[in-house]
Amino acid sequence: DTEVTQTPKHLVMGMTNKKSLKCEQHMGHRAMYWYKQKAKKPPELMFVYSYEKLSINESVPSRFSPECPNSSLLNLHLHALQPEDSALYLCASSQGLRGPPETEAFFGQGTRLTVV
Amino acid sequence: SQQGEEDPQALSIQEGENATMNCSYKTSINNLQWYRQNSGRGLVHLILIRSNEREKHSGRLRVTLDTSKKSSSLLITASRAADTASYFCATDRNFNKFYFGSGTKLNVKP
Repeated sequence: DTEVTQTPKHLVMGMTNKKSLKCEQHMGHRAMYWYKQKAKKPPELMFVYSYEKLSINESVPSRFSPECPNSSLLNLHLHALQPEDSALYLCASSQGLRGPPETEAFFGQGTRLTVV
Repeated sequence: SQQGEEDPQALSIQEGENATMNCSYKTSINNLQWYRQNSGRGLVHLILIRSNEREKHSGRLRVTLDTSKKSSSLLITASRAADTASYFCATDRNFNKFYFGSGTKLNVKP
């Protein structure tokens, strides 16, 4: 199984809502990622979890709150978002080895988020 | 972008022609990877080249890496309509930290 599964596929939320994006992989990967992608732009790294610990936060606003309950699951909790946060949110995973051999990242199909 | 630039931003070719995309990056890297994205959905890994490698092949793909110039190129030979997609390079700076270039949108006309 080389899939990264993201739910939901689409989400519309108001600026006062609280919602969560979910990501799951069963490849035994120990690194998991959240990326944000605006239309016609490249994915931008938001968070990296390594061995279930947050290792990188790319200065993401606190209205985005990541959580890694276990090695297979990654959540992104959303609260008080702004319309400019509307984007495709991509989850990815990789083996997470801390040295060679390097491996690629596997991506989910993303959640298309619209904030109204 | 977080990592660097790709050129061209857009490329339109006929089926059967070769397509070349270039990627420049800003920092030292462990490896560089190329990904493809169809219609704004998930990215698919194409090929990985390590910092001590200069060229790598996979099927119709050829990747070069010049660490002195901090640049890479992706060549797709004998392109097909199904190759139409956006292509991104991604640098892995410190193992498990992938940053993407600005991307090239490739259109292959049948």
